[in-house]
Amino acid sequence: GAVVSQHPSRVICKSGTSVKIECRSLDFQATTMFWYRQFPKKSLMLMATSNEGSKATYEQGVEKDKFLINHASLTLSTLTVTSAHPEDSSFYICSARERLDPNGELFFGEGSRLTVL
Amino acid sequence: GQQVMQIPQYQHVQEGEDFTTYCNSSTTLSNIQWYKQRPGGHPVFLIQLVKSGEVKKQKRLTFQFGEAKKNSSLHITATQTTDVGTYFCAGDAGGTSYGKLTFGQGTILTVHP
Repeated sequence: GAVVSQHPSRVICKSGTSVKIECRSLDFQATTMFWYRQFPKKSLMLMATSNEGSKATYEQGVEKDKFLINHASLTLSTLTVTSAHPEDSSFYICSARERLDPNGELFFGEGSRLTVL
Repeated sequence: GQQVMQIPQYQHVQEGEDFTTYCNSSTTLSNIQWYKQRPGGHPVFLIQLVKSGEVKKQKRLTFQFGEAKKNSSLHITATQTTDVGTYFCAGDAGGTSYGKLTFGQGTILTVHP
């Protein structure tokens, strides 16, 4: 099946620094990728929809200047957490759909656990 | 906005018992999908339901989509320890939200051997 690779899987950073997380579709093209945040034993909260070649669409309450999303190609989207603070510590997961199956299943990355000290 | 409610939040069963999780949407859905997340893992697609009243089976798993396309259920017959994990439903409202899924809170299933 389709594979989505997310990197890094774990990252620890100091407060005030920025962290970039990559999401790659390895064997398919994805016009749209989605970024979620998940707290322990909680559901996935959609943060933004990443659109290849255009600006991301952010959900209400998500700071676009803090969570920068870039979708420069059909196989790569990046999430940059800028000026990270301890409250940004969380599990971030990306997902993608095949370009030719826009209403099909989502393929999830393995997730990235961010810890901000 | 659209809300997807899922119950129960937790379910503890003995191996061999059945398990059901229910999902209700505040709006009519274009389709609903189910995902399973193992402890420490990422969500993995199980199935998609599109038609009103649709019922699909995967071995011991039975998925239903309500007639009004606002509710759904996942039933596992004779649970096994490998069924442990969190089960999420995710609804697609279609229209201007086409392709964007709203996830339920998930049901955490534990199976005691």
